[in-house]
Amino acid sequence: GEDVEQSLFLSVREGDSSVINCTYTDSSSTYLYWYKQEPGAGLQLLTYIFSNMDMKQDQRLTVLLNKKDKHLSLRIADTQTGDSAIYFCAEKMDSSYKLIFGSGTRLLVRP
Amino acid sequence: EPEVTQTPSHQVTQMGQEVILRCVPISNHLYFYWYRQILGQKVEFLVSFYNNEISEKSEIFDDQFSVERPDGSNFTLKIRSTKLEDSAMYFCASSSAGKAYEQYFGPGTRLTVT
Repeated sequence: GEDVEQSLFLSVREGDSSVINCTYTDSSSTYLYWYKQEPGAGLQLLTYIFSNMDMKQDQRLTVLLNKKDKHLSLRIADTQTGDSAIYFCAEKMDSSYKLIFGSGTRLLVRP
Repeated sequence: EPEVTQTPSHQVTQMGQEVILRCVPISNHLYFYWYRQILGQKVEFLVSFYNNEISEKSEIFDDQFSVERPDGSNFTLKIRSTKLEDSAMYFCASSSAGKAYEQYFGPGTRLTVT
């Protein structure tokens, strides 16, 4: 069935790069997303990638997609304390409206 | 920047009571969604709504749940007879006609059923 998995926690030092990883099971996923959730806030759409791409860069964010391994990653360059949040990976198939979420990775940025 | 808003931010209700959660989607959006997140679990899709009808729903979205767009701006989720296990954070989302794959979420309503 459909499933999205992420590691639960990542701690990095301010100024370093962060890499958050995600694996998914459904090879027919058409869109893959990264959402950010700060404490007390909703899910903020950070970026997404179409399944026919293998990389997307948007300022400090780089998304890498390995379709063969069904692996998605989000790299945050020059991580700041304001990047501390929970990051959710999600997938969506073209035939469906629903997003399927992972459990979220809590990123802690240490000064 | 336009955003999805939800009210109330926190709702406490007794088991068996009806509750209505309200959302104001982004103004030019035509697709609307409800998701929920039970504490400690993943965010789960409940329902999508387009052109005044349900376009997709999950197994969770049973007869206890209903959605409505009562006017041009609001989108509501009604739970007819709440159960303890309905306690969760409920998120509304919306997307535009041209980019239905970009779903923008509201801040959520925390529902506590006692």
